[in-house]
Amino acid sequence: QQQVRQSPQSLTVWEGETAILNCSYEDSTFNYFPWYQQFPGEGPALLISIRSVSDKKEDGRFTIFFNKREKKLSLHITDSQPGDSATYFCAASAMGYKLTFGTGTSLLVDP
Amino acid sequence: ETAVFQTPNYHVTQVGNEVSFNCKQTLGHDTMYWYKQDSKKLLKIMFSYNNKQLIVNETVPRRFSPQSSDKAHLNLRIKSVEPEDSAVYLCASSYQDTQYFGPGTRLLVL
Repeated sequence: QQQVRQSPQSLTVWEGETAILNCSYEDSTFNYFPWYQQFPGEGPALLISIRSVSDKKEDGRFTIFFNKREKKLSLHITDSQPGDSATYFCAASAMGYKLTFGTGTSLLVDP
Repeated sequence: ETAVFQTPNYHVTQVGNEVSFNCKQTLGHDTMYWYKQDSKKLLKIMFSYNNKQLIVNETVPRRFSPQSSDKAHLNLRIKSVEPEDSAVYLCASSYQDTQYFGPGTRLLVL
């Protein structure tokens, strides 16, 4: 049973466009949602995170939108760059316990 | 800057052999983890280790075992590898909610 789901599995956008990556979860006790970025040959690295008390978190070109009622969140990458091409993982945890990772979205930004 | 170090980067072995992977973190964190990442990039937690308390994912086969000498090191031993063990093994450490990953060890079992 996959508690954190991501869609689409893969996404291709043109340079300069906005990429939208979706995530949903089942466990209502989850209250912390980090997004990790992974480049080939490297481990995942924290990109941006949000807690359930907020509905939006911005960091430069990266924005998380969070809908607690629907148990959904999305990562928007504005002005996408070829260097953003990577796999993005949505994760979730409750009260600082172990992270549950989603299935990942592979993003390709075409120049 | 890498603060979670893993060796080796890559390892090729044959079915039935024993392998051991090393992980060291220089962040001063109290909790360390091992994850398995399969060919579809799915991340599955295998172990977490905090203050000598080991938490094992019940789906992990018994041939896998973590080994820790201190809170900065958490190694992974696979007693008798099988073909389905081919994957990338990622070590991580954490401070509060944030996990910091190493670059991974890619294992290929022939």
